[in-house]
Order: sequence, then structure tokens, then C-alpha cells
Amino acid sequence: GAVVSQHPSRVICKSGTSVKIECRSLDFQATTMFWYRQFPKQSLMLMATSNEGSKATYEQGVEKDKFLINHASLTLSTLTVTSAHPEDSSFYICSASYVSGGPNTGELFFGEGSRLTVL
Amino acid sequence: SQQGEEDPQALSIQEGENATMNCSYKTSINNLQWYRQNSGRGLVHLILIRSNEREKHSGRLRVTLDTSKKSSSLLITASRAADTASYFCATDAWNSGYALNFGKGTSLLVTP
Repeated sequence: GAVVSQHPSRVICKSGTSVKIECRSLDFQATTMFWYRQFPKQSLMLMATSNEGSKATYEQGVEKDKFLINHASLTLSTLTVTSAHPEDSSFYICSASYVSGGPNTGELFFGEGSRLTVL
Repeated sequence: SQQGEEDPQALSIQEGENATMNCSYKTSINNLQWYRQNSGRGLVHLILIRSNEREKHSGRLRVTLDTSKKSSSLLITASRAADTASYFCATDAWNSGYALNFGKGTSLLVTP
């Protein structure tokens, strides 16, 4: 199956700093990537939809100036948490859609996630 | 916004038993998918069932979909300790651009 790589897997930073998380589709082109956030023992909440070459679409309640998303190529999307605070500590997961037109169209492939801890 | 609701929230069974998890959703869907997540890890896609399908099998997994009741079930037969994980259902709609809405998940514990 398609592989999505996410980096870093863990990051610890001080309050007020910015952190960038990368999401790469390794063996396929992803015109659309999605960023999710997951708090402990909770479900995944969609933060934004990232489209290559255009501005990301943010879900209601997600601050676009706080969570900067860039999708500069068909294989890379980045999420930057700006001026991070302890409440931003969470597990961030990206995914990419494998739009083949075949029987598995719509299937999403997920990265391994990035655990952010803001001190 | 979150759409799927799984039940039970937690399930504990012994190896060899079957595990059944249910998922309900609120609006019309295009596909419904089940994912597995081991603690602190990413998601692994298990099975996708389309809105015009009623049942699908994959190995020890059996998924049903009842669009009239807006519900789905995931059955894991002959469970193993390695099946211990959280299981999420996720739905998408025709106009969602493949963005998924996840349920709250069922935490499955399989004891030897």
C-alpha cells in the first residue's frame, strides 16, 4: 500500500517557539493531504485540508494563523505550530488520499503521527 | 465535525473470542472505513465499505453497513492478543474531498 511518512515522530519544545511537522507521500502523489489532531484517549479531529498549490481549508475552530499549513509539492505538506503553548501539546497525524479512480478510491493513508509536547 | 459514534467505548475479551464493535453516524455517506490504532501510533486502514455495499470480509474481519439505520459493525473473529488496539470508524461524504470524520473509537483489550 501507499506509504506516508511523518517527521518528527516526537518533539519537545519550549513555550513560545514554533514547530514544523512534515508529511510526505513516499510512493504516490497526493494532491490532497489532511491534518488531524488527537488528544489522549480521544478520536481524531480534522484540523485542515491541504491542497497542493493552494491555501489550506481549515475546520471551524482551528486558527489558521496558529497552525500554518503549506502544501508546496505533490508529495509534501507541512504543519507549523506557531508560538506553541502547552495546550497545543497533542498527537498530530497527517494523511493523504490515494485517488486512483479504482476500487480503493477514497482510502486514506496515514502517517505515524507526531507527538508534540510543549513545556 | 465528528460524526461516527462507536460502542462500546471499551471492550475486554479473551483470546479466541469474537469482538463486535458498532458505529453509528448521522448524515449520508459515500464510504465508511474502519481503522486500527495501536497506542501512540498512526492509523492502519482495515477495510472500506461503500454506501451501496452491505457486507464485506477481509480475513478475520467482517464489516456490515446498514445505511437505513446509519450504522456499521466490525466483527473480529477468533481474536488474538495482538488485536489489542483502538478501532475507529470513519465516514466521508461525496462532497468532503475524501476528508474523514472519525468516531470516538472502541478500545479493545484481548487477554491471553
